[in-house]
Amino acid sequence: AQSVAQPEDQVNVAEGNPLTVKCTYSVSGNPYLFWYVQYPNRGLQFLLKYITGDNLVKGSYGFEAEFNKSQTSFHLKKPSALVSDSALYFCAVRDSSTDMRFGAGTRLTVKP
Amino acid sequence: SAVISQKPSRDICQRGTSLTIQCQVDSQVTMMFWYRQQPGQSLTLIATANQGSEATYESGFVIDKFPISRPNLTFSTLTVSNMSPEDSSIYLCSVPLPQTGETEAFFGQGTRLTVV
Repeated sequence: AQSVAQPEDQVNVAEGNPLTVKCTYSVSGNPYLFWYVQYPNRGLQFLLKYITGDNLVKGSYGFEAEFNKSQTSFHLKKPSALVSDSALYFCAVRDSSTDMRFGAGTRLTVKP
Repeated sequence: SAVISQKPSRDICQRGTSLTIQCQVDSQVTMMFWYRQQPGQSLTLIATANQGSEATYESGFVIDKFPISRPNLTFSTLTVSNMSPEDSSIYLCSVPLPQTGETEAFFGQGTRLTVV
């Protein structure tokens, strides 16, 4: 069965600095990998996905993620963080089935 | 993208009662998923609802506690039965994006349930 791990409960960065939110995965077969963001009192919003092709995936709001098959990782990155990026971020994976498995979530706080 | 409407957005319920949550999608989808997000936790899949067949439940979730209906390709309900304070969570429905072969999923706003 597929699973993901987000090793950091919390990530703190200063506004303008680059940010990285880590994710590793386990899946049999080819992975479908996703990042979602959850703002307070709101549902999950899709940020980006990796299905196949280029290992560097660009998504919404300036976020990108790098798929690394050898390290089974899919870290979320942004070159310059904004205070408004502060939210809860979830990595998710699915295999050839359609149900997704989510990581525990990482709370990103960007300080002015 | 799909537009997903969930009702109610929040509710406070007495223990021992039941609450039915509705999920309406603006396009036809084969599969709908129900998730639970307990306070401060990640999302856990409760069940997968296919139109015309019984829902498939994940380990730890049973039909008697979380009955699901899927009467057509745009609508589903999840009932939380005989509630206890431990059922206090956000419940979310989710659908794959129909036009892209069901890769990423889209989520409703969620139903924030508090059981007292």
